[in-house]
Amino acid sequence: DVKVTQSSRYLVKRTGEKVFLECVQDMDHENMFWYRQDPGLGLRLIYFSYDVKMKEKGDIPEGYSVSREKKERFSLILESASTNQTSMYLCAIHTAEDSNQPQHFGDGTRLSIL
Amino acid sequence: AQTVTQSQPEMSVQEAETVTLSCTYDTSENNYYLFWYKQPPSRQMILVIRQEAYKQQNATENRFSVNFQKAAKSFSLKISDSQLGDTAMYFCAFMKHGGTYKYIFGTGTRLKVLA
Repeated sequence: DVKVTQSSRYLVKRTGEKVFLECVQDMDHENMFWYRQDPGLGLRLIYFSYDVKMKEKGDIPEGYSVSREKKERFSLILESASTNQTSMYLCAIHTAEDSNQPQHFGDGTRLSIL
Repeated sequence: AQTVTQSQPEMSVQEAETVTLSCTYDTSENNYYLFWYKQPPSRQMILVIRQEAYKQQNATENRFSVNFQKAAKSFSLKISDSQLGDTAMYFCAFMKHGGTYKYIFGTGTRLKVLA
């Protein structure tokens, strides 16, 4: 089974802090994604990565950056956290070259910025 | 740009009954994939069912089936013999063939199965 591990289920940080959300996969998959999930808005793509050190902006990248130094780890960084970044964050991976293979998700990190 | 619309924010169904969740999408692509994901209260998103646009036959997975109408750009999910464990958020997602495997998600439908 595909395993996608997010480092924290719940996280509370203060405004202005630099926040790191970690996502680790247990295989050699190339494509990894960070989404944020908000009620009434569904999932929106923040950033994705298709290989080590390769990244592309998604639909809502403002206020975020990412890092992928090793294939198995994809980090989402909030450079200076703000209250409007309070949300659920989901990491996902795409497991195969074939498009019809689904994305697999981690458990999510519920982040509160105070 | 592609969009996915789920017009039912919340639905409820009695246990053992059948319920249909609607999803419409907009795209100029001819080759694409559609997915339904389920997110139970424990939060992990799991795949329910997928459909390739080039296939005319509707996908089925046990109690879950879809009604895929390509011309109408409609992709509804039917859950038969609803069970309490079907209580969850359901998301419809679109991905075009080729490219970067990016999904476009709908806003979700919260389904509650009543005992």
